[in-house]
Amino acid sequence: QVQLQESGPGLVKPSQTLSLTCTVSGDSISSGSYYWSWIRQPAGKGLEWIGRIYTGEITNYNPSLKSRVTISIDMSKKQFSLRLNSVTAADTAVYYCARDHGFWFDPWGQGTQVTVSS
Amino acid sequence: DIQLTQSPSFLSASVGDRVTITCRASQGVSSYLAWYQQKPGKAPEVLIYTASTLQSGVPSRFSGSGSGTEFTLTISSLQPEDFATYYCQQLNNYPLTFGGGTKVEVK
Repeated sequence: QVQLQESGPGLVKPSQTLSLTCTVSGDSISSGSYYWSWIRQPAGKGLEWIGRIYTGEITNYNPSLKSRVTISIDMSKKQFSLRLNSVTAADTAVYYCARDHGFWFDPWGQGTQVTVSS
Repeated sequence: DIQLTQSPSFLSASVGDRVTITCRASQGVSSYLAWYQQKPGKAPEVLIYTASTLQSGVPSRFSGSGSGTEFTLTISSLQPEDFATYYCQQLNNYPLTFGGGTKVEVK
């Protein structure tokens, strides 16, 4: 059974870089069968897609975040990562990673709360 | 960006009710629309993809229909475990976008 688990600091200072990692178990991240996506959800609000990566490091980003976002993949560690630069309070959210089938996301990680505050 | 408008935003219903949620897209997304269920403190889970395909393991009381710009999610007989928030998502155009959500509450 495929499982995804987000990890990273829960508190980031304004203007610094948010870095999260998603570890995939029970599936081959290098199979070429899937994309791997990041999504976030501010408290009490809806879902925002951040971006996706495909094996070979092909990436697509939400234009609203594109200038600040980098998604990378480490197939040897079965991990993909999110870096978001120059964070502000507006980046405070629960961040999810998900296996991206192209036309749906499944499964999702449990999510990790990231708070931007000094 | 393609805007997805869900209606209603809130819905009060009773166990056994038939529930229908609508998702309208600001431009056509073909059939590349998915529906998710999210319970408090949990990650979303896919129910339906490509507008009408039921995800494996999802009860058959859930169904989806539509194409182009108008889609519906129907729960034929609401069960206690179905009280949750539902989101639609389009995967036809970048950026991928989600609807604002429909919260199904106990009447």
